[in-house]
Amino acid sequence: GAVVSQHPSWVICKSGTSVKIECRSLDFQATTMFWYRQFPKQSLMLMATSNEGSKATYEQGVEKDKFLINHASLTLSTLTVTSAHPEDSSFYICSAPPLAGRARGGDTQYFGPGTRLTVL
Amino acid sequence: AQRVTQPEKLLSVFKGAPVELKCNYSYSGSPELFWYVQYSRQRLQLLLRHISRESIKGFTADLNKGETSFHLKKPFAQEEDSAMYYCALTGGGSNYKLTFGKGTLLTVNP
Repeated sequence: GAVVSQHPSWVICKSGTSVKIECRSLDFQATTMFWYRQFPKQSLMLMATSNEGSKATYEQGVEKDKFLINHASLTLSTLTVTSAHPEDSSFYICSAPPLAGRARGGDTQYFGPGTRLTVL
Repeated sequence: AQRVTQPEKLLSVFKGAPVELKCNYSYSGSPELFWYVQYSRQRLQLLLRHISRESIKGFTADLNKGETSFHLKKPFAQEEDSAMYYCALTGGGSNYKLTFGKGTLLTVNP
């Protein structure tokens, strides 16, 4: 069945380094993918909409030079946190609406399992 | 601007008691409303949506356009219902951009 995977599932890095997180749609294509950020026991905040073949659309207040998004193919979007700092530590989740229509149960999209980023 | 409000950050009930998780929204149009659940150490998953008008795991939610509410209810809570619950909306149709509420952590005590 349709699944969204993320890699890595967790990552620890030093302050000032860059970290790349991959989001893949398995067994389905997605021209759009969404990237969310979730703080501990808090809501998901939409960061940006990743568009295959074009620039990502960022939500207000999200630094596009800080969070680089590349939607290289119909099954892969990457989020790169550049020059990471401790305040970037968070849980990053991607989701993908299937190109062919609604997801299972009428949901609008499939969610990835998330990536835990810890910046020391 | 679209907004989803979940007034209760934490909700604790005993097993067998009724539970209601509140959700209010603001949207200029006809949104599609959802409830998502996130169990400990698991990914976010859809619980139910207003269009389907179905009951999942004993939970129901009715869209009240007059009160702009979409409260989640279950008559008899179970321990396995303990989880984080998020109310969310989209603009409907092919607008898949979700706006989430802050979530309510439900704890069902034995």
